[in-house]
Amino acid sequence: DGGITQSPKYLFRKEGQNVTLSCEQNLNHDAMYWYRQDPGQGLRLIYYSQIVNDFQKGDIAEGYSVSREKKESFPLTVTSAQKNPTAFYLCASNDRDGGALTEAFFGQGTRLTVV
Amino acid sequence: QQPVQSPQAVILREGEDAVINCSSSKALYSVHWYRQKHGEAPVFLMILLKGGEQKGHEKISASFNEKKQQSSLYLTASQLSYSGTYFCGTAALGYSSASKIIFGSGTRLSIRP
Repeated sequence: DGGITQSPKYLFRKEGQNVTLSCEQNLNHDAMYWYRQDPGQGLRLIYYSQIVNDFQKGDIAEGYSVSREKKESFPLTVTSAQKNPTAFYLCASNDRDGGALTEAFFGQGTRLTVV
Repeated sequence: QQPVQSPQAVILREGEDAVINCSSSKALYSVHWYRQKHGEAPVFLMILLKGGEQKGHEKISASFNEKKQQSSLYLTASQLSYSGTYFCGTAALGYSSASKIIFGSGTRLSIRP
């Protein structure tokens, strides 16, 4: 079945550690995104990529890094520079149909907690 | 540049109607609507492209006024399963390397029996 897989589902990080969240899709989509969601809040864009080996900063990129070496993979690293990383992280992907972006498919999310 | 959604929350009795609004300060190419249940991933409802096309999905429909840069989601004869948080996502460009979907802060909908 096609879809997006995020791992792990739950992640605990100690202060000062870097952690990497995995996102893999087998939908053959060009575009991939990372969003952060805090309790009762909307989805804020961290990074996005429309094509392999290219990615753009979103609204809250500070303290995060990404890579897009393969079409199906878009890992997110939460660095020690991110001072408040506890949140629910969602990865999404979509494609384009003519000039428009198509529906976004989301992974099940990773809940990151700083301990 | 985040779209503004209103209302922030709404409580309905089963069978009542609701309207959720989404507006942007930027010219829009498309508007996406999603519903998220607590602790789960958002689920796609529909996309509207510039051109003012109104779409429907069961008893949920939406409109897009590109001149006003606004979209509205209409839920009629609401069911308990409609409960959740509704997000609009906007794309200001057609396809380019800078194309992205920006989401609003959400509207929490609660349906009571």
